[in-house]
Amino acid sequence: KNQVEQSPQSLIILEGKNCTLQCNYTVSPFSNLRWYKQDTGRGPVSLTIMTFSENTKSNGRYTATLDADTKQSSLHITASQLSDSASYICVVRELMEYGNKLVFGAGTILRVKS
Amino acid sequence: NAGVTQTPKFRILKIGQSMTLQCTQDMNHNYMYWYRQDPGMGLKLIYYSVGAGITDKGEVPNGYNVSRSTTEDFPLRLELAAPSQTSVYFCASKGQGPNQPQHFGDGTRLSIL
Repeated sequence: KNQVEQSPQSLIILEGKNCTLQCNYTVSPFSNLRWYKQDTGRGPVSLTIMTFSENTKSNGRYTATLDADTKQSSLHITASQLSDSASYICVVRELMEYGNKLVFGAGTILRVKS
Repeated sequence: NAGVTQTPKFRILKIGQSMTLQCTQDMNHNYMYWYRQDPGMGLKLIYYSVGAGITDKGEVPNGYNVSRSTTEDFPLRLELAAPSQTSVYFCASKGQGPNQPQHFGDGTRLSIL
């Protein structure tokens, strides 16, 4: 079964520190991998997208990496801010014979404290 | 631009009652989706639509129905509410192309008691 596993489940860091969130997937073949940020009580918002041929993509203080050989992605947050407190969701687009399908990870809950 | 708007934000239902979760988007997107999000789980696709008049089942369609009479609206209907349908429901829309992101509403938190 195609899956997306994220780690850690939750993380607490001090404001200003860096952190890295992990995403391992078994989805194959896939066309792209996206990271979403979901604030409490809100819907997910796209942060970055990488196709299978891309290794890294940045969006401000967020940098995503992708290793398609090992089927791993990471999201690195630099100089964290209180507003980074949210759930971060890794989503892989699976290529299928007819159309495609999104496989969602369960998310990593990040709390940034002052 | 309001994006994707879902109503209501919260609702409590009794077992066996029915209700419709509303979803509307103003981005002229053809693709629309309904998901449910349960604690500790990834979002699961309930139904989706590739355009007005066209709908199809996702992973977990049992107990739900949808319609798509216009490009803007994609309501989700629960006919006989069951405790297993307690969840947060998200509607999303997407423009043309595989690399376009899905735009999500802020969800409807539904409790069945």
